[in-house]
Amino acid sequence: GEDVEQSLFLSVREGDSSVINCTYTDSSSTYLYWYKQEPGAGLQLLTYIFSNMDMKQDQRLTVLLNKKDKHLSLRIADTQTGDSAIYFCAGTATDKLIFGTGTRLQVFP
Amino acid sequence: NAGVTQTPKFQVLKTGQSMTLQCAQDMNHEYMSWYRQDPGMGLRLIHYSVGAGITDQGEVPNGYNVSRSTTEDFPLRLLSAAPSQTSVYFCASSYRGRGLKNTGELFFGEGSRLTVL
Repeated sequence: GEDVEQSLFLSVREGDSSVINCTYTDSSSTYLYWYKQEPGAGLQLLTYIFSNMDMKQDQRLTVLLNKKDKHLSLRIADTQTGDSAIYFCAGTATDKLIFGTGTRLQVFP
Repeated sequence: NAGVTQTPKFQVLKTGQSMTLQCAQDMNHEYMSWYRQDPGMGLRLIHYSVGAGITDQGEVPNGYNVSRSTTEDFPLRLLSAAPSQTSVYFCASSYRGRGLKNTGELFFGEGSRLTVL
């Protein structure tokens, strides 16, 4: 089945760019997703990319997809303290959405 | 809009007790699912349903039962609680019909924090 892996922690200075990486095993995912979880809350969809795309840009967010290496990344430009959260990548496996372990992003002044 | 509503938000159980976590959605979504979130483990799928009357197992189904008698509700039952079931549980739903709205986006509830002593 689908396996999704992420590094657990990332710490960046306010104003710098953050890059969160993810690798996945199932190349049949139609969409790949990035979700954000703030403390004490459920997950919310941040952005997604269709599997036949290489890149998607949405304001400060840039998603890059390398299908050959099964690698997905999320770049946050001009990272703010409000971006501090856990970020999950996820891929589809038949009827299921499989999540990575989540990357905790800490933004310091 | 209520979205996905989970109750209770917090619960403490003793080992061996049973309970039901409730989940309701008002978006007429066909798909509903339950995840548990544990530190360093991410979210793991417990059970899911693609429509009323249909349920299936996810990655970690043991110790949990579900049913889907209506489109709106998808309760999760713990039959005999164990300390290993201490976790935060999330219910999520999505639209699975035809058209551009079907991106597979999951809408999450706020979570139910369960402690089993």
